[in-house]
Amino acid sequence: QVHLVQSGAEVKKPGSSVKVSCKASGGAFNNYAITWVRQAPGQGLEWMGGVVPIFRTPHSAQQFQDRVTFSADDFTTTAYMELNSLTADDTAIYYCAIQTSGWFSGMDVWGQGTTVTVSS
Amino acid sequence: DIQMTQSPSSLSGSVGERVTITCRASQNIRNDLNWYQQKPGEAPKLLIYGASTLHSGVPSRFSGRESGTDFTLTISSLQPEDFASYFCQQTYSVPFTFGPGTKVDIK
Repeated sequence: QVHLVQSGAEVKKPGSSVKVSCKASGGAFNNYAITWVRQAPGQGLEWMGGVVPIFRTPHSAQQFQDRVTFSADDFTTTAYMELNSLTADDTAIYYCAIQTSGWFSGMDVWGQGTTVTVSS
Repeated sequence: DIQMTQSPSSLSGSVGERVTITCRASQNIRNDLNWYQQKPGEAPKLLIYGASTLHSGVPSRFSGRESGTDFTLTISSLQPEDFASYFCQQTYSVPFTFGPGTKVDIK
C-alpha cells in the first residue's frame, strides 16, 4: 500500500519561494501520476498540476504556469512542488496525491498536507 | 477550462436520510468524474471514480450516476461519519477542475 508523507509547515515572506516535498513509500512510484492540490483557508480544492507517469511531463493550471515547478525523483521516490513569487493569496494547505491508475484517474492516495503561510 | 458546478452548496440531513448531490460539467467529460469526501482537518478521500465506480473500501451506501453532463452522488442512508464536505472533479482534460463543494451537516 502506497503512503505519502509531506514536508512540514512553512512560513514565508511575500516575494519568496517555497518548495514542498512528498515522499512515497510502497508501490511502483515511477508508474504513478503525481498531482498537487491546494486549499486556501475555508475554501474549496484547487488543482495546481502535476507530472505524468514514466516520462514525468509536467502539467500546470494556467494561473500557476509562470511560477510553479513540479518534479519527481524516481530514485528517492519523492515529488516536489516549488512555487515562486509568493503572495498572501498563496496561503493554503498544499496536498500531494497520486493516481495509481494513471493520469486521467481519480487521486486515490493523498499526503497529509503542508500548511504554507505567506506573511510579512 | 471545464467549469464544474455543484448543488446544493450545503445541506442538512438526518441520520438514515437519503441525500443526493449534483455536479454539472460545462461540456462533455464522458464519465471522467470523481467524487471526494473531506472532513475538517483531513485530506480528501476518493469515494467514486469513473462517475459510478466505488473506490476500494468505500461503503455501498455511496453511489454515483451519470446523465450526460450531469452527475449525482447519492448517500442512501446518511451515517454519522458521513457529515463532511463533498467535491466532484473532472479528469477529462487539463486543468482537472474541482466543483466548489457541498457541505453536509447534521439537521
